[in-house]
Amino acid sequence: GAVVSQHPSWVICKSGTSVKIECRSLDFQATTMFWYRQFPKQSLMLMATSNEGSKATYEQGVEKDKFLINHASLTLSTLTVTSAHPEDSSFYICSARYPGTDPQYFGPGTRLLVL
Amino acid sequence: DAKTTQPTSMDCAEGRAANLPCNHSTISGNEYVYWYRQIHSQGPQYIIHGLKNNETNEMASLIITEDRKSSTLILPHATLRDTAVYYCIVRETSGSRLTFGEGTQLTVNP
Repeated sequence: GAVVSQHPSWVICKSGTSVKIECRSLDFQATTMFWYRQFPKQSLMLMATSNEGSKATYEQGVEKDKFLINHASLTLSTLTVTSAHPEDSSFYICSARYPGTDPQYFGPGTRLLVL
Repeated sequence: DAKTTQPTSMDCAEGRAANLPCNHSTISGNEYVYWYRQIHSQGPQYIIHGLKNNETNEMASLIITEDRKSSTLILPHATLRDTAVYYCIVRETSGSRLTFGEGTQLTVNP
């Protein structure tokens, strides 16, 4: 299967700072990438769909000004959590798929802790 | 996308087959059944998917009933590393959204 990486795997930051998380498709070009969030003991929740060269589509209830998504190339999407607060502490996971095909392949996740 | 129902948890002995059921009684004709699993603190891993025929790959087999209202994921020889939460998801292949439910916590015991 395809390989998707995320960086960093762990990040601890102070409240009010911004954090950038990278998602890369290592062996294929992904026109579409997805960002999920998972709180402890809960399932994954889709936050947004990232399309290369265009604006991301956000799920209802997700603040687009807080969670900035940039999909600048066919192998890289970034999620920036702006002015992070403790309630943003979570496990952030991205996924990608080959253009027009299935399935989605997931990255290993990034654990964010905001103090 | 159709909703799925899975048992909350299951246990299996190492070396035995693990059979994980999933009900999707409201599935429509163009919706596929996907299985993913998530090992603790990792991203989900794709296992298998199918439309109406049974499918098999190096990881598992997927058995879909003739009326497509339920399916079973079979891990033929479960190992301790198969301990994970298994998610059954139904959606159109053309759609982008994967909606994760609570899944089944499979624990493989020595």
